[in-house]
Amino acid sequence: QKEVEQDPGPLSVPEGAIVSLNCTYSNSAFQYFMWYRQYSRKGPELLMYTYSSGNKEDGRFTAQVDKSSKYISLFIRDSQPSDSATYLCAMKRSGTASKLTFGTGTRLQVTL
Amino acid sequence: SQTIHQWPATLVQPVGSPLSLECTVEGTSNPNLYWYRQAAGRGLQLLFYSVGIGQISSEVPQNLSASRPQDRQFILSSKKLLLSDSGFYLCAWSVSRDQPQHFGDGTRLSIL
Repeated sequence: QKEVEQDPGPLSVPEGAIVSLNCTYSNSAFQYFMWYRQYSRKGPELLMYTYSSGNKEDGRFTAQVDKSSKYISLFIRDSQPSDSATYLCAMKRSGTASKLTFGTGTRLQVTL
Repeated sequence: SQTIHQWPATLVQPVGSPLSLECTVEGTSNPNLYWYRQAAGRGLQLLFYSVGIGQISSEVPQNLSASRPQDRQFILSSKKLLLSDSGFYLCAWSVSRDQPQHFGDGTRLSIL
């Protein structure tokens, strides 16, 4: 079993829809949670960074962490064609020696 | 603001040839630096990280090596490339191990 599971998609939604992207994980020691957006042939771009449980909002993006269920989500409101990309979740334990563990990414396509 | 540069963007090399990929960061001092390889459907795999000049930690035994000759320069090398070294190589930096990582735009390496 992978430490971080993410549905690869593709997920296709119409412009303006609310998108929900999710990851589950097995390591209860993860404390830091991140979402990255990756356009084709580009490096991942940090979208959201949260510590422990709760919600964080930034513009059209909301990150949600439920540590009791080992489940994190990224919501995109009013989705745009420019949101079409692969979304990667990533997480790590606290402590300087720990490394980021990534999901394999969900490919999102927002259609006109 | 901080920026990260990777070059070249694309590289085609014959089996058995040497490799040198370069990454530089601007706008920060003493960053933590990372080399990742991204394979389709397998997420990002951490290859090397460095917390300072000359300090390299290897995560996965392989045909590659890394060096950090200057504070903001990170180099990925190989003496003899294998077919299995093909992939998308990403460099990243962070202020510290507990802060999120920021990625360059990667090098797509094809071995013939």
